[in-house]
Amino acid sequence: AQSVAQPEDQVNVAEGNPLTVKCTYSVSGNPYLFWYVQYPNRGLQFLLKYITGDNLVKGSYGFEAEFNKSQTSFHLKKPSALVSDSALYFCAVRSTGGGNKLTFGTGTQLKVEL
Amino acid sequence: GAVVSQHPSRVICKSGTSVKIECRSLDFQATTMFWYRQFPKQSLMLMATSNEGSKATYEQGVEKDKFLINHASLTLSTLTVTSAHPEDSSFYICSARDPETRPGNTEAFFGQGTRLTVV
Repeated sequence: AQSVAQPEDQVNVAEGNPLTVKCTYSVSGNPYLFWYVQYPNRGLQFLLKYITGDNLVKGSYGFEAEFNKSQTSFHLKKPSALVSDSALYFCAVRSTGGGNKLTFGTGTQLKVEL
Repeated sequence: GAVVSQHPSRVICKSGTSVKIECRSLDFQATTMFWYRQFPKQSLMLMATSNEGSKATYEQGVEKDKFLINHASLTLSTLTVTSAHPEDSSFYICSARDPETRPGNTEAFFGQGTRLTVV
């Protein structure tokens, strides 16, 4: 069985400061890893993914994430947060071993304040 | 990226009635679509996998007679909540992947979600 853990329900950061949203995963075989963002009463928007290759992945809106196989982590980062980044962020994993199921973490509410 | 459109975005219905939610892939064909349910401040729970031309695959604990799924074409899947009750009130989201020929290797695209309120 595959699973995703997002240990922080909420992350608060001041605008202009760097932000990190944590994610760890468990999967059989190699993982496909994804980050999505959700604004209130909206569907999920894709931010970035790790499939293979460089461990540092760059995505939309200045976000990036680092795949760390030994720590089974895929933390989301941004060097300088904006108030408009405030939203709900989901980490997700799919096994390369087959199957279509995408397993989500519980989500982390990011709040960026002036 | 690929576009998935979901309709309606909001619906209010009376207890005992049925509600149909549509999910369309606008610029690609999707033999498989996914239906999720999201409770307030919680993650997405996969309800079922919708397969074009065949029966949907339901997750454990999801009532197939309650949540009817039809995937009649390569661009349309529908979820019908039958005999709705207040506890069915939730946010329902569909998704699909493109292209389907690379299973597991591409991100899923999501509809904008449907807020169902049963009164």
